[in-house]
Amino acid sequence: EVQLLESGGALVQPGGSLRLSCAASGFTFSSFEMNWVRQAPGKGLEWIAYISISGSTINHADSVKGRFIISRDNARDSLYLQMNSLRAEDTAVYYCTKSGSWNYYIDHWGQGTLVTVSS
Amino acid sequence: QSALTQPRSVSGSPGQSVTISCTGTSSDVGAYNYVSWYQHHPGKAPKLMIYDVTKWPSGVPDRFSGSKSGNTASLTISGLQAEDEADYYCCSYAGRYTLVFGGGTKLTVL
Repeated sequence: EVQLLESGGALVQPGGSLRLSCAASGFTFSSFEMNWVRQAPGKGLEWIAYISISGSTINHADSVKGRFIISRDNARDSLYLQMNSLRAEDTAVYYCTKSGSWNYYIDHWGQGTLVTVSS
Repeated sequence: QSALTQPRSVSGSPGQSVTISCTGTSSDVGAYNYVSWYQHHPGKAPKLMIYDVTKWPSGVPDRFSGSKSGNTASLTISGLQAEDEADYYCCSYAGRYTLVFGGGTKLTVL
């Protein structure tokens, strides 16, 4: 059974930093592309970051580009999201997600971790 | 990237059918046959219901079906059941390792 377990969510002040982690199990992590998706309170889902199987190719949504960085450690079956220069509008539940074939869709989601940016 | 456009809410009675639309552009929905749909019960992980416009993942009942015409995709749920009440999101591949979601539709089973 595929499991994605996020951690690292917290209350942080504007301008602060946070690193989210996602522990993957139940599948060959090193064979699948991964993404982070977030949902702000009362809002819809928003794709924010993609990483290729090897980690050599990454892409971020314009809303977080230059502030967030996605990475992975295939030896540890783990996905990460480094979040810098956090803003109030980054307050959201952050989901670690596993891609289906060729990253054309997401086939599994974690339960999410809450990040709150507030002074 | 702009979000895909979905109706805020739809409703139907048990046993009826409902259709949720998802309108994008020629750069996302219209460009690729890679539209997916997700069911989201608040507080739980979203669940994949349809991928590649019309395909079902294992375990999803065929009461859920997808289609696409031009820049608009649709999810139809037939034989509505109480447990279908949830938020539904469409998603499209938009090229260059990018996905774009719709704003979400709240389905109410009356």
